[in-house]
Amino acid sequence: QSALTQPASVSGSPGQSITISCTGTSSDVGSYNLVSWYQQHPGKAPKLMIYEGSKRPSGVSNRFSGSKSGNTASLTISGLQAEDEADYYCCSYAGSSTYVVFGGGTKLTVL
Amino acid sequence: QITLKESGPTLVKPTQTLTLTCTFSGFSLSTSGVGVGWIRQPPGKALEWLALIYWDDDKRYSPSLKSRLTITKDTSKNQVVLTMTNMDPVDTATYYCAHPYDYGDPTRFDYWGQGTLVTVSS
Repeated sequence: QSALTQPASVSGSPGQSITISCTGTSSDVGSYNLVSWYQQHPGKAPKLMIYEGSKRPSGVSNRFSGSKSGNTASLTISGLQAEDEADYYCCSYAGSSTYVVFGGGTKLTVL
Repeated sequence: QITLKESGPTLVKPTQTLTLTCTFSGFSLSTSGVGVGWIRQPPGKALEWLALIYWDDDKRYSPSLKSRLTITKDTSKNQVVLTMTNMDPVDTATYYCAHPYDYGDPTRFDYWGQGTLVTVSS
């Protein structure tokens, strides 16, 4: 069982917006602004999409945005495109002992 | 340009020790703030963070696997080695090494290797 809870799947039609939640605890997501999001296509390595909760690395589309409220972080993808269909994982810093935790992953289907 | 590549056995027997090597280029583990981490992913399952080593030899481990993991670095060879003892079929996974952007955010892995699939079976 993963430390961070994500919905197993979400779906949306092209052009729509979807949001993926990532629920942790006051020991991880709730205490630090160090939440990253990764996109993973089948058979590929994960790709960093969001870091520090809401920042985008260079080259990542501004259709991807992140936010956090309390113990829950969220990834929003607007203007869905077929190429966005992938698995998405959140990742949080969890203090000096546990250090890093991942979510269970969410499969995004573009209808 | 930063690149990382994992190498090691594709098949190990239960109870054996797994040794994986991450060979990287484009950065140096002797530079302040630099680290290399390991993450694994069982087939069809989620990512799991395993370990991270920094330029100053600071080492961090997943609490659930800490007793079985050892991470080391060879700065002169640009390599990081992960060993995992007492392998079990549940350890079957693709093992990735990755570069965290800096010491300040160990969740921000900006470069990843291609991954190597390790199967544990007798």
